[in-house]
Amino acid sequence: DIQMTQSPSSLSASVGDRVTITCRASQSISSYLNWYQQKPGKAPKLLIYAASSLQSGVPSRFSGSGSGTDFTLTISSLQPEDFATYYCQQSYSTLWTFGQGTKLEIK
Amino acid sequence: QVQLVESGGGVVQPGRSLRLSCAASGFTFSSYGMHWVRQAPGKGLEWVAVIWYDGSNKYYADSVKGRFTISRDNSKNTLYLQMNSLRAEDTAVYYCAREGLVGAYRNHAFDIWGQGTMVTVSS
Repeated sequence: DIQMTQSPSSLSASVGDRVTITCRASQSISSYLNWYQQKPGKAPKLLIYAASSLQSGVPSRFSGSGSGTDFTLTISSLQPEDFATYYCQQSYSTLWTFGQGTKLEIK
Repeated sequence: QVQLVESGGGVVQPGRSLRLSCAASGFTFSSYGMHWVRQAPGKGLEWVAVIWYDGSNKYYADSVKGRFTISRDNSKNTLYLQMNSLRAEDTAVYYCAREGLVGAYRNHAFDIWGQGTMVTVSS
């Protein structure tokens, strides 16, 4: 199975900060990488698919980049509603796998 | 509106079975691949299984292979997960999720999720 490793596992930041979360795959996955946001007690929400494509309705302050094994999710200017847990997910294999998550907290 | 609603969760003893359902509405269910994803209490997301739009292919995580079966009834717009030989480590919220399309092509991402149904395996 393809292993996905996110860093950091947790992050403290302030409203207005620029934040970057990294995801690394255990083998090349081309651009088959998706990002999700999850708030407590809620289902995950798709933010980015195919490494850099913004899902419809998602604010443009979210962006994704990378290919091969290394990927990043960037939030250009944190808003209060962005404090949540973020997961990367590879969809290169027919056995989808998620990263362990990055919890973004208010500083 | 586009919606997925899971049902069938509950408390079950180890070794017993449970069947989850996911009712879809607001979109052409038979055009989309569908997945089950679970989340143990306080833990991250774990992909469980996928079924192709027409039911022709199914794949499972190693942790559930041979015990869980994913199926669908396109005439009823419903996805299922039959869970047998349940273990304590299967305790989780189970989500169904739709694999999105960009035009006629799969985008391999989960664009619509249900609210989840809790499964607790305990004696």
